[in-house]
Amino acid sequence: RKEVEQDPGPFNVPEGATVAFNCTYSNSASQSFFWYRQDCRKEPKLLMSVYSSGNEDGRFTAQLNRASQYISLLIRDSKLSDSATYLCVVILRDQAGTALIFGKGTTLSVSS
Amino acid sequence: GAVVSQHPSWVICKSGTSVKIECRSLDFQATTMFWYRQFPKQSLMLMATSNEGSKATYEQGVEKDKFLINHASLTLSTLTVTSAHPEDSSFYICSASLGGTGYTFGSGTRLTVV
Repeated sequence: RKEVEQDPGPFNVPEGATVAFNCTYSNSASQSFFWYRQDCRKEPKLLMSVYSSGNEDGRFTAQLNRASQYISLLIRDSKLSDSATYLCVVILRDQAGTALIFGKGTTLSVSS
Repeated sequence: GAVVSQHPSWVICKSGTSVKIECRSLDFQATTMFWYRQFPKQSLMLMATSNEGSKATYEQGVEKDKFLINHASLTLSTLTVTSAHPEDSSFYICSASLGGTGYTFGSGTRLTVV
C-alpha cells in the first residue's frame, strides 16, 4: 500500500481565520477520498467526502485534483471547536482488496 | 445513523495474557470490517481486513497468529491480541463500510500491557 502524505502542522490560527490543508497520495489506483476529523483519543469521524467537482459543507470546502494527486480542505471562519486533527483518507482498491489508507493527520489549533 | 459498537473501551492486562476486542454493527450488516492500530501521534495503520465467513487478510508485517481475527457473523468481528506484550500497547479501532457513503468507526479500544 502506498502512502498518503499530509503536513502534520500544527497549524495555530486565531478564531475567524481561513486555513487550508493539503494531502497528496501516491497510488493512482486510489478511488475515493474523504476528510475525517479526530479529536484527541477519540475515533475518527467523517467530515466530508471529496469529489473532483469540489464540494462545500458550510464553512468547509474540499477539492480533489486527480491529475496532481492531491486533495485539499479549506476551513473558513475558524471556530474554537474546529481544533482537532484532520485526517486525509484514501480508499484504495487493488488486487489485494480494499483498504482505507490514512494520512498521519494535520493538527489544527484555533485560539481566541 | 449506522453505528459500530466497540468493546472494551480500555483494558489493562499483564504481559503474556490475551485480550479480545469486539466490534458489533448495531443497525446494519457489516460484510467487511477493517482493523486499525494507532500509536501516539501516528496515523491509523491498517492491520487486517476481515470478511464475514472467510479468513482475514493481513497487511504486511502484521502477525496473523498474534492478532487473531474472527468475523463469524454479519454483525460481529473480533480481534484477539494473543500473548500480549508492552509493545502491543496501542489504540485499536475497527471500521465498517457503509456501502459507498463512507465508513463508520468503532469508538476504539486503548490497550495497555504491563
